[in-house]
Amino acid sequence: DQQVKQNSPSLSVQEGRISILNCDYTNSMFDYFLWYKKYPAEGPTFLISISSIKDKNEDGRFTVFLNKSAKHLSLHIVPSQPGDSAVYFCAASAFQGAAGNKLTFGGGTRVLVKP
Amino acid sequence: NAGVMQNPRHLVRRRGQEARLRCSPMKGHSHVYWYRQLPEEGLKFMVYLQKENIIDESGMPKERFSAEFPKEGPSILRIQQVVRGDSAAYFCASLHGQNTEAFFGQGTRLTVV
Repeated sequence: DQQVKQNSPSLSVQEGRISILNCDYTNSMFDYFLWYKKYPAEGPTFLISISSIKDKNEDGRFTVFLNKSAKHLSLHIVPSQPGDSAVYFCAASAFQGAAGNKLTFGGGTRVLVKP
Repeated sequence: NAGVMQNPRHLVRRRGQEARLRCSPMKGHSHVYWYRQLPEEGLKFMVYLQKENIIDESGMPKERFSAEFPKEGPSILRIQQVVRGDSAAYFCASLHGQNTEAFFGQGTRLTVV
């Protein structure tokens, strides 16, 4: 049961253009969403997050959009840079009271930014 | 403020041996998660711990795997009688509290030969 899905395993984009990464989820209890970036042989690095009470959050070149009715979120990177080439993971969590909130990850999208 | 520290970075074990993976969370963080990444796959949740408590172990295999987070010292993920299928990257993450970002360590790459 894959609750968080990233349907595009890879994405290739020209330097300077926009990268759009998509993520879909099925669990309506998810209320907090995050994007992580991962280079080979390193741990995931937090990029940006959004709470379910918002529909947009922006941080520099990164913007995350949340469409709760469609259970869909996206990450926009503009302009894309060669250093952005990495695997990007979407993650979601649901407040579980005393049990805390584990992160459920999508399968990742490999982004290649061509110079 | 040091980040999440995992050691060793690389671990080679023969089939049947035990593997011990250590994770020291960020200062002030009392929540620790363990995730496993198999080759060409995403991150799979294994276990969530707070100090001296296992909160959620729904992702842990029923046999051979155990985890602890003692009052003092790092969190330990233990894999007994390792098999080749245990070869993966194991990541630890810590966070301060609810709905905050989790910070990941560099991971331990376990290779079972």
